[in-house]
Amino acid sequence: QKEVEQDPGPLSVPEGAIVSLNCTYSNSAFQYFMWYRQYSRKGPELLMYTYSSGNKEDGRFTAQVDKSSKYISLFIRDSQPSDSATYLCAANTDKLIFGTGTRLQVFP
Amino acid sequence: DARVTQTPRDKVTEMGQEVTMRCQPILGHNTVFWYRQTMMQGLELLAYFRNRAPLDDSGMPKDRFSAEMPDATLATLKIQPSEPRDSAVYFCASGDSTSGRATEQYFGPGTRLTVT
Repeated sequence: QKEVEQDPGPLSVPEGAIVSLNCTYSNSAFQYFMWYRQYSRKGPELLMYTYSSGNKEDGRFTAQVDKSSKYISLFIRDSQPSDSATYLCAANTDKLIFGTGTRLQVFP
Repeated sequence: DARVTQTPRDKVTEMGQEVTMRCQPILGHNTVFWYRQTMMQGLELLAYFRNRAPLDDSGMPKDRFSAEMPDATLATLKIQPSEPRDSAVYFCASGDSTSGRATEQYFGPGTRLTVT
């Protein structure tokens, strides 16, 4: 079992929809959680960073961590075609453990 | 606009050849990571350095892979001899660990390696 599990998708939604991307993790020692976005043939870019449980909001993006259920979520409001990318969750400190990524397609 | 740079961007080589990939981390970052990304395995950490010293290379096949940081502005990943199963995209990332929090990692554009 991987330490961070993520549904690979693909997830296809119409423009303007609310998108929910999710991961689960197994190591209760994880304290730091990140979401990266990766466009085709590009390197991952850091999108959101949270510590421990709770929510963090940045524009149309909200990251949520529930440590009791070991669940990590990323919500995208008013999704845009430019949000089409692969989203990777990651956990831990230095040695980030990445999920395999969820491919998101937002169609006009 | 500070960013991680990697060379080459694409590399096609024959099995058995030596491959060297280079990375220039963001100036001032003290931690450098090497990852490999494939469709099957996703992003796998190969090795990482802090202040140029190797901290962990447990993800790397030791018999053919080696990683070094000759100076603070250059990290190298070498494969010798290369094999078709090494075909993947290799990413370098850098970060600053001095904040005391988890290291936010900033990725380069990657080197796409194809071994025939």
